[in-house]
Amino acid sequence: GQQVQQSPASLVLQEGENAELQCNFSSTATRLQWFYQRPGGSLVSLLSNPSGTKHTGRLTSTTVTKERRGSLHISSSQITDSGTYLCAMDTGYQNFYFGKGTSLTVIP
Amino acid sequence: DPKIIQKPKYLVAVTGSEKILICEQYLGHNAMYWYRQSAKKPLEFMFSYSYQKLMDNQTASSRFQPQSSKKNHLDLQITALKPDDSATYFCASSQDTDQAPLFGEGTRLSVL
Repeated sequence: GQQVQQSPASLVLQEGENAELQCNFSSTATRLQWFYQRPGGSLVSLLSNPSGTKHTGRLTSTTVTKERRGSLHISSSQITDSGTYLCAMDTGYQNFYFGKGTSLTVIP
Repeated sequence: DPKIIQKPKYLVAVTGSEKILICEQYLGHNAMYWYRQSAKKPLEFMFSYSYQKLMDNQTASSRFQPQSSKKNHLDLQITALKPDDSATYFCASSQDTDQAPLFGEGTRLSVL
């Protein structure tokens, strides 16, 4: 079946450091989507990227489709960035296959 | 005010019973979805609807039935509940199926 693997499973950073989250997926996807899950459980869509590089604010998503991998770079991390970052491959109609997530903790 | 309303926020049910999870969106979106997140599995896609038509279904069991009475409603009926159905069920919507979804706050279901 479809698989999405994320690394690292958890990450602890000091405020101001950068984070690099990795995602590998098992088969062809229309796009790679990154989500943020708050500690309370609510979900937010971050970046959608079929291929190449996309930026929004302090976030940069890079997807290399033919190598079936992607990454999310978070620059100048803030305490409020703490939470779980989910990578998902979309096979169409928002049929996402999700990874288990990277749990990010940013400390002062 | 929340734009995607899920009701109830918490739900406790007994094994074998039936429940309906409510989802309404006030964003004017044409597509709606259900996802499920349990303690044992990653977040998983269940259904996608566009203009009240089923576009994709990844739920193996017919015990899960989406119901769309209006374009901005997509309820989820679950019959013959089992303890393994315990999870948080997230409803989401987007303008079209190729745009990133916005999520509701979820309904946390516990089946005893």
